[in-house]
Amino acid sequence: DQQVKQNSPSLSVQEGRISILNCDYTNSMFDYFLWYKKYPAEGPTFLISISSIKDKNEDGRFTVFLNKSAKHLSLHIVPSQPGDSAVYFCAAKGGNNDMRFGAGTRLTVKP
Amino acid sequence: NAGVMQNPRHLVRRRGQEARLRCSPMKGHSHVYWYRQLPEEGLKFMVYLQKENIIDESGMPKERFSAEFPKEGPSILRIQQVVRGDSAAYFCASSPLLTGGHYEQYFGPGTRLTVT
Repeated sequence: DQQVKQNSPSLSVQEGRISILNCDYTNSMFDYFLWYKKYPAEGPTFLISISSIKDKNEDGRFTVFLNKSAKHLSLHIVPSQPGDSAVYFCAAKGGNNDMRFGAGTRLTVKP
Repeated sequence: NAGVMQNPRHLVRRRGQEARLRCSPMKGHSHVYWYRQLPEEGLKFMVYLQKENIIDESGMPKERFSAEFPKEGPSILRIQQVVRGDSAAYFCASSPLLTGGHYEQYFGPGTRLTVT
């Protein structure tokens, strides 16, 4: 059951430009959304989150936008840096505190 | 405060053997989650446990897989009679009591299981 979808398996951007990673979900009961970043051979690390009662959350270079009517969220990274190159996972929390993850998007930031 | 610990980091088993994966959550965390990542795929939820209780095991295969989180000691993910398709990276995550609108999970480095 693909309740959380990241339709772009990869994204390549130039250093200094904006990276936009997208995520769609199907379950309207999800009430909290998170983005994780994963480097090879490591576990995912938490990046930023947003509650379903908000439409935007910002933390430094990272901003997450939530469009509940479209069941869509996005992560903006600006300016992008080579160290941001990693796999980014979108996740959504259900009412039982269980978490569902997307398949990930591999971001490559070129110097 | 040590992070989530998983061991072993790498595990090789022959078909038909048993695999035991261990996860020690962060200090003070009472919730443990197990995920599986197949090659070129995302993280797939398997099971969510609190101390001595399985809260949600909807992602666990019905046979050969089991998980526990005893009152004392680490959480264990057990795979009996492993098959080649079980080869994957298995990640454990933990979180504290979920209040105050903070639901981040903290992940361990994973156990890479290879079935030969």
